[in-house]
Parts: sequence; C-alpha cells; structure tokens
Amino acid sequence: DAGVTQSPTHLIKTRGQQVTLRCSPKSGHDTVSWYQQALGQGPQFIFQYYEEEERQRGNFPDRFSGHQFPNYSSELNVNALLLGDSALYLCASSFRLTGTDTQYFGPGTRLTVL
Amino acid sequence: QQQVKQSPQSLIVQKGGISIINCAYENTAFDYFPWYQQFPGKGPALLIAIRPDVSEKKEGRFTISFNKSAKQFSLHIMDSQPGDSATYFCAASNTGNQFYFGTGTSLTVIP
Repeated sequence: DAGVTQSPTHLIKTRGQQVTLRCSPKSGHDTVSWYQQALGQGPQFIFQYYEEEERQRGNFPDRFSGHQFPNYSSELNVNALLLGDSALYLCASSFRLTGTDTQYFGPGTRLTVL
Repeated sequence: QQQVKQSPQSLIVQKGGISIINCAYENTAFDYFPWYQQFPGKGPALLIAIRPDVSEKKEGRFTISFNKSAKQFSLHIMDSQPGDSATYFCAASNTGNQFYFGTGTSLTVIP
C-alpha cells in the first residue's frame, strides 16, 4: 500500500519565478491538505482540497493556489516566489467520510528560493 | 497568534528515561489532539492522538495525558531509546478542519 508521495524531492528557484509541486494521496484517501514548514517550525496549513474544490484555506496569500484532479492527486502552485517561500512543503491525505483528523503526511518537497 | 504552544524547545534524556513534552491551547472548540514524530528529511508521522472525552491514552511506550480544564496535553515517552531521537510536534484541530501545530521539540536520547 503506497503512502503519500510527493514530487519533486528538491527544487531550487529564483525570486519571481513560479513553481508547481505535486502530491499523490495514500490509496483510498480523497482529501488532500497542503502545509508549509519553515526551518525549525511546525507545519502551517495552506489549504485543503476535496472533490476537486478548495474547502478550507489558511492565512496564505493568493500567490498560493492549488488544484485537485479526479484521481484525487493534487498540485500546489506558488507564483511570484519570494525568498520567504523557502520551506519544506508537505502534503497530507485523509479520507473525508471517516473524518479528516487522521492525516498521513508525505516526505515533502524542499523548495529553495534564491 | 500561536494557537498551540509547545515546550520545551529541546530535550535531552538518558536512555531508559522518561521524555515529557507539553502543549497548551486556547481554542475550546478543538476536539482532536495528535502528536507527530518527524525525522530529518522526512514528513511528520502520526504517533498517537486523543480526544477530549478521555484523560489518558496509551500506546506502547507512548502516553498522552489530557487536561481539559487546563487546556493542556502532554506526551510521555517511557523507556526512551536512541531511536526516539527526533522532533515531536503536537497539534490540535476542530474535527474536519485545519490542524494547528506547535513549534516542535527536538528530543535527543543519549545512549
């Protein structure tokens, strides 16, 4: 049973560029949440997708956007990158009908903005 | 505003000792309190979780103690092992809604 997978593992971008991160949820899961984890900090909630719609959003600017596909996989897009966007981006999946409390995290994508 | 406050920031324990990490929250609507373990370069892994209707939950060497009136909960790791050396995060949520994480505790277990 494959767990949550994310790609790429690492990414280096320059300020002003755009980036797309990808996530495949754990088998049987239909809900995907994205988190940003700055170095030495706890994960911060970005947004959550269910049924291909953004259901909840944390305190992040519109530069952060996402998408969920019919197969439940998801993308996180960040436009106009800032140095402060450098972080580990985590994807977590869950199954909505049994509650989204039990979230399983992927290994993350390390984004470095130069 | 930090929804969940975690302490200590770092902890050093001898092998076989008890590791204790504490968290406090303000939002009384929170009804799910998980603990996650994170190793360097990895995503957080769910360790153990509790709901407010019980005061304690034990799974193997890991125990959560929950004090609803004080709005505090803690993780106890009994018989700590070097393999437990990792960063631990507490979190809280209102069922179905976003998780709020603490700032993390770096645990080092000395052989």
